[in-house]
Amino acid sequence: NAGVTQTPKFRILKIGQSMTLQCTQDMNHNYMYWYRQDPGMGLKLIYYSVGAGITDKGEVPNGYNVSRSTTEDFPLRLELAAPSQTSVYFCASRQDRGEQYFGPGTRLTVT
Amino acid sequence: AQSVTQLGSHVSVSEGALVLLRCNYSSSVPPYLFWYVQYPNQGLQLLLKYTSAATLVKGINGFEAEFKKSETSFHLTKPSAHMSDAAEYFCAVSGGGSGNTGKLIFGQGTTLQVKP
Repeated sequence: NAGVTQTPKFRILKIGQSMTLQCTQDMNHNYMYWYRQDPGMGLKLIYYSVGAGITDKGEVPNGYNVSRSTTEDFPLRLELAAPSQTSVYFCASRQDRGEQYFGPGTRLTVT
Repeated sequence: AQSVTQLGSHVSVSEGALVLLRCNYSSSVPPYLFWYVQYPNQGLQLLLKYTSAATLVKGINGFEAEFKKSETSFHLTKPSAHMSDAAEYFCAVSGGGSGNTGKLIFGQGTTLQVKP
């Protein structure tokens, strides 16, 4: 099993550009999550999904969108990038009652 | 509502000394509690978890944590620090039970430095 994979690893965006962060898991987990990590702070939940076709907002959803058309994939969309979205983004998945498994992260810089 | 407070953003110990990383939580429902470790430029790796079974939880790499409901604490310990333990450690809480969304609330993290 590859676990949770994320692409790209690094990306630099200009203000106002759009991009999609990809996340795929091969563990057949129902639950998937997107977090962002800023320096000196813990991870904050952006969006999560409890199964294909079902998504909901977390603590910091503004400026982001998600979709979940399959069990495996949970892409995160940034429509109009802003400097405040400079961060490291982590995707995670879990089965019911289990712990979350994290991907390696995407480091995004918006300038 | 749930929250996590990690006391001390930076802890420094000598190699071979006791490691103690403090975590206090607040939860309106029976919690699940987790400790994750993050090495530089990597994702998070689970060290151990409490899911309402035994209150003393043993994890990987010699770490353990004790759930103390009366103190709302879940401190992480290791008897003897190794240089390879240098990393950032996160305490996290979620609601427990089947069907819970499992959303994690993280503490701000504690950076562990191990001196030779």
